[in-house]
Amino acid sequence: QVQLQASGPGLVKPSETLSLTCTVSGGSVSSGSYYWSWIRQSPGKGLEWIAYIFNTGSTTNYTPSLKSRATISLDTSKNQLSLELTSVTAADTAVYYCARAIAAAGTGLIDYWGQGSLVTVSS
Amino acid sequence: QSVLTQPPSVSGAPGQRVSISCTGGNSNIGAGYDVQWYQFLPGTAPKLLIYANTNRPSGVPDRFSGSKSGTSASLAITGLQAEDEADYYCQSYDSSLREAWVFGTGTKVTVL
Repeated sequence: QVQLQASGPGLVKPSETLSLTCTVSGGSVSSGSYYWSWIRQSPGKGLEWIAYIFNTGSTTNYTPSLKSRATISLDTSKNQLSLELTSVTAADTAVYYCARAIAAAGTGLIDYWGQGSLVTVSS
Repeated sequence: QSVLTQPPSVSGAPGQRVSISCTGGNSNIGAGYDVQWYQFLPGTAPKLLIYANTNRPSGVPDRFSGSKSGTSASLAITGLQAEDEADYYCQSYDSSLREAWVFGTGTKVTVL
């Protein structure tokens, strides 16, 4: 059973960089054919897909509205997924989820989610 | 801003049937892209309920069923149980503006 656990700072100041890590257990981030992903949920915008990275690291894709500020990466040695979001504002306050999607499905079929990590942007 | 529209809430008594609609457009559901449904319960990881419009993963009760027609999809819960009280989201792919995965606005199911 694959398990994902997102962790982050909880509180980030405006204009700073948000860094999140997702630790994966029960499976390797470099095995199979999956998209490792970040999704967030905020009161104002509901669920929003942020980015995904193919498990070889060869392919990434970002939602257009965040592409200039977001970077997704894999650390296969630690079996972790990461997200950096620069120049944050209050609008980036959300619960951030990491997730695994089945690449062959092509439509973002997420078979495993993490519990989510609340990030608040405030001074 | 969610691309897929769901009713904010639905409710039903134990044992009853409820249905949640998910309305999209010609660049997502109407273009033939599959729809998934997820269950969000407080304090737990979201769970995949239905994939590729009508399929249930192993372990999901057959009380949950999905359908798709035109630019819409639906999730039905029959024999409603107290443990089904949760938020439900549909999800699909959208080909416009390089948007990839899109989600519904979410529906709160209340068991009366």
